[in-house]
Amino acid sequence: AQTVTQSQPEMSVQEAETVTLSCTYDTSESDYYLFWYKQPPSRQMILVIRQEAYKQQNATENRFSVNFQKAAKSFSLKISDSQLGDAAMYFCAYRSAYTGNQAGTALIFGKGTTLSVSS
Amino acid sequence: NAGVMQNPRHLVRRRGQEARLRCSPMKGHSHVYWYRQLPEEGLKFMVYLQKENIIDESGMPKERFSAEFPKEGPSILRIQQVVRGDSAAYFCASSPRRVGDTQYFGPGTRLTVL
Repeated sequence: AQTVTQSQPEMSVQEAETVTLSCTYDTSESDYYLFWYKQPPSRQMILVIRQEAYKQQNATENRFSVNFQKAAKSFSLKISDSQLGDAAMYFCAYRSAYTGNQAGTALIFGKGTTLSVSS
Repeated sequence: NAGVMQNPRHLVRRRGQEARLRCSPMKGHSHVYWYRQLPEEGLKFMVYLQKENIIDESGMPKERFSAEFPKEGPSILRIQQVVRGDSAAYFCASSPRRVGDTQYFGPGTRLTVL
């Protein structure tokens, strides 16, 4: 079974600086998707970024970028020029790309990293 | 474009009562997923449905929990005879297709069992 591990329960960063959140996963599959979701105090789950495992190029969305190391099964999130609105819990998630009848449906989440941003 | 809608946002039940949680997917989305988030935990998959079909219920407890997604109307997650351990945030997500598509989440329903 696949697992996702976020080893940093809490992180902090100063406004305008850069922070990296770690995520590792375990799978025997070769094709899958990886996601970072943000959960602010409102508890809404917001998609931050998505990466397809078959793509070597790291995904980027404005100030958010990932470092995807497939061999190491590592998927870290870098937030540049941090803003107060970035304060939230961040979840790393895995999803199989298997096209069987039932698999490839569930997102598997890590336990999350709480990011605080100070001015 | 309206996002995924869930209601109620907060639900309080006494032990032994029933809880009904509703989810309306995004327009054009025919795949619905339910997840549960316990305090200080990540989300855990419960069930995946398409219109009128349960595709994968491997994460849902066998007793007291049921889900449906009728041809018309929202998806319903039903918890019978609630216990204190059912207190959690329940999230619904939807996608246009199954494999490869991003799941978009609703705001969640926070269930408190007294």
